[in-house]
Amino acid sequence: NAGVTQTPKFRVLKTGQSMTLLCAQDMNHEYMYWYRQDPGMGLRLIHYSVGEGTTAKGEVPDGYNVSRLKKQNFLLGLESAAPSQTSVYFCASSPPREGLYNEQFFGPGTRLTVL
Amino acid sequence: GNSVTQMEGPVTLSEEAFLTINCTYTATGYPSLFWYVQYPGEGLQLLLKATKADDKGSNKGFEATYRKETTSFHLEKGSVQVSDSAVYFCALMGLTGGGNKLTFGTGTQLKVEL
Repeated sequence: NAGVTQTPKFRVLKTGQSMTLLCAQDMNHEYMYWYRQDPGMGLRLIHYSVGEGTTAKGEVPDGYNVSRLKKQNFLLGLESAAPSQTSVYFCASSPPREGLYNEQFFGPGTRLTVL
Repeated sequence: GNSVTQMEGPVTLSEEAFLTINCTYTATGYPSLFWYVQYPGEGLQLLLKATKADDKGSNKGFEATYRKETTSFHLEKGSVQVSDSAVYFCALMGLTGGGNKLTFGTGTQLKVEL
């Protein structure tokens, strides 16, 4: 049971290049999330998904696209990378709410640098 | 909207010292509250949680009590260890809207020295 995994761990891009970050979870969770973490700003939600085939915008969605074609995978795409997208990206998953809370499980992160 | 405010770090303590990291929140209704911990080079892990007023979450010697009257969820530990060095995030999950979305504070870095 690997939990939440992210690929790649590190990446350096030039401005204008594109890339896709892959998140996979083996816990059969319905909900998945993409966050970015920047110094002094905590984690901010980019996009999220409440089930296969569905996605929704979070707090900072501009410049990113996502897809959830399979329940276990959640892809984050950058079509034209900008230096402002230099960050550490975290994926998380959780089961649907059954009560007052549900824990989110986080992947190890992807460190992206855009030059 | 929802928001979480944490005390700024870094916080540097000697081993066996008492730890308090302050956290206050703004939210509609009665959210669930969490503390997550991030060890160097890793993702976030849930440390403890509380779902209603006066609940006390506890784990690994850490405690936090959900105080509705002061909208606070301060993290405490009686005797810290070097292995507690990490970044600590306070977070809330609102009861409105879908998707179990979390709102995080900015994080507080803790460094424990011998």
